[in-house]
Order: sequence, then structure tokens, then C-alpha cells
Amino acid sequence: KAGVTQTPRYLIKTRGQQVTLSCSPISGHRSVSWYQQTPGQGLQFLFEYFSETQRNKGNFPGRFSGRQFSNSRSEMNVSTLELGDSALYLCASSLAGFKNQPQHFGDGTRLSIL
Amino acid sequence: AQKVTQAQTEISVVEKEDVTLDCVYETRDTTYYLFWYKQPPSGELVFLIRRNSFDEQNEISGRYSWNFQKSTSSFNFTITASQVVDSAVYFCALRGEGNRDDKIIFGKGTRLHILP
Repeated sequence: KAGVTQTPRYLIKTRGQQVTLSCSPISGHRSVSWYQQTPGQGLQFLFEYFSETQRNKGNFPGRFSGRQFSNSRSEMNVSTLELGDSALYLCASSLAGFKNQPQHFGDGTRLSIL
Repeated sequence: AQKVTQAQTEISVVEKEDVTLDCVYETRDTTYYLFWYKQPPSGELVFLIRRNSFDEQNEISGRYSWNFQKSTSSFNFTITASQVVDSAVYFCALRGEGNRDDKIIFGKGTRLHILP
């Protein structure tokens, strides 16, 4: 069974640009969450989607947005990139979105802002 | 508000020693779930265990064991006879069942070095 797939693995952008990251969950999983991981702040929750609806949102500015498609695949977009957006962005999926379910993580997309 | 504290930022032990990683949490929910994840140098977080708030049984899985104590709001993780492959960052996480704020909260992680 294929795991969570995130593309691209690495990305280099400059300030002011925008970026779209993609996540394909494990087959059959309907819930997708996104996290930002930095050395200083650790793992911070960005948002969670279930059946194409955003269920939860973390404390990030509106430049960060996401969506989920009918096949459960998800995309995350960051506009007007800032140097502080450099981070590892992790996607995680779970089966049905129940709160007690463990999440299965992808390898992440490492975003570097120059 | 919910909070997870992993006070140990970094630990180094010699192979075959036992090591305990601490996790203390705060929540106002009566039903909640605790998790441990491992992040090896390759980067992918791997789920290790889940504990429900209404189940205080401790658990052992091979060299790994978990001690859940509601009285002290702790969910500690012990590795017995550590091995070099255990070197990783370990995260404790909490998710409440309440509607107020039910997103998952991760601790800052404990970086574990197992020295050969």
C-alpha cells in the first residue's frame, strides 16, 4: 500500500513569489492535514481537510491556504512568500477523520526562500 | 488551551542503556488522545502509539514501553536496551475530543542520540 506522497520534495523560491505543494493521501484515507516544521517553532498545525471541507485551521496568516479535491488529494498554497516561510511542510492523512486516529505522514516538501 | 511539553530537548545515551522521554500535557477536555511519533534522520514521522484518556493501561511493545498517568498528566516513553537505530527526534502529541479547539498539538520534540 503506497504511503502519503508529497511533491515536490524540494523547492527554492524567492520572496514575493507564490508556491503550491501537493499531497496524495494513502488510498482510502479521507482526512488530510498540513504542518509546518521549523527548528525554532517545531511542528505547527496549518489546516485539516475532510471530504473537501476545511475542518480546522491553525494560527497562520491568510497567505497560507489549502484545498482538498474529491479524490482526497490536497494542495497547499502560500502566496507572497517571506523568508520566514522556509520550512519543511508535512502532509498527513488518516482514515476517516476521527480524532483518535493516528496520522500517517509523507516525507515532506522542503521549501527554501531566497 | 491545550499544551504539550517535552522538557528534554536533547538526550544522549550509550547503546544498550535504557532511556525515558518525558511528556507532560494540559487539556480541559475529559476525553482526549495522546500519541507518540518518531522522526528519524530521513524526515518522515512514524506513528508509534496512541493512548485514549479513558484507558490508563500501560503498554509494552518489544523494547518500547509507555507509562500513562492521568494524575500527573504525563505520558512517558521508555526505550529499553537502546540501539543506534533508535536515534531520532521523538514527538508527543495531544488531541482533545471537545469542539472548542480540537486540532492536534505536538510537543517540541526530544532529539535522542544513541552512541555506539
